[in-house]
Amino acid sequence: DVKVTQSSRYLVKRTGEKVFLECVQDMDHENMFWYRQDPGLGLRLIYFSYDVKMKEKGDIPEGYSVSREKKERFSLILESASTNQTSMYLCASSVSGGAGDTQYFGPGTRLTVL
Amino acid sequence: AQRVTQPEKLLSVFKGAPVELKCNYSYSGSPELFWYVQYSRQRLQLLLRHISRESIKGFTADLNKGETSFHLKKPFAQEEDSAMYYCALRGVSNTGKLIFGQGTTLQVKP
Repeated sequence: DVKVTQSSRYLVKRTGEKVFLECVQDMDHENMFWYRQDPGLGLRLIYFSYDVKMKEKGDIPEGYSVSREKKERFSLILESASTNQTSMYLCASSVSGGAGDTQYFGPGTRLTVL
Repeated sequence: AQRVTQPEKLLSVFKGAPVELKCNYSYSGSPELFWYVQYSRQRLQLLLRHISRESIKGFTADLNKGETSFHLKKPFAQEEDSAMYYCALRGVSNTGKLIFGQGTTLQVKP
C-alpha cells in the first residue's frame, strides 16, 4: 500500500516566518508534487519534481521553493510566509511514465499564516 | 491552453436519484482523463480513469472527444457518495503532471 506522509496536519505561523512542509513517500516513486487546495479554485500545482534534485515550476510557484535531496522526500519552503498563503497543502507522488499512472496523495497540511 | 472546467460548485441530490457531475476540458491532443474523490476527513484518491473503462462504486465516465467532456455518472446515488470530486487531465508527458478542475461537492440527502 502506497504511503505518502506529511510532517504536520495543522500548522500556524506568523507573517514573515520561514516555513518548511515535508513530504515522504515509501514507494520509490520518481514523481512528487506539491499542490494548494482552495475552495472554488480546486488543486493548483505549485512545484513538481521528476527526479532527485530536479524540479519544475507549476502554475503558482511565486513565494515558494522546493527541495528534493532524496528520492523519497520532497520539501516545500515558504521563504517568508504571507497571509495569502493560508491554505491546505497537498503532497502527491506517482511512478514515472506509462499510461494512466495514479497520483497518491498525502493527508494534507492546513497552514494558517497570521 | 490546457484547462479543466467543472461548472458546478455544489450538486445536491436525494438518495436514489441519478447523478451527473460535469467535466469539460480543453486540450489539443489526446488527453488522459481522471476522476479523483475526497471523502470527509480522508485523503484525495483516484476514483477512475478513462482508459480503464471501468465502473467504480457504481460510477462511470465516458470520454466524449467531440464535446470535450468527461462527465461522471451514477444511476442511483447513495449517501456515502457525498464527497468532493475533482476531474483531472494529463497531457502527453512523462512527468505525470495533472491539471485539476475546481471541484464539485456532491451532497446526497437521505
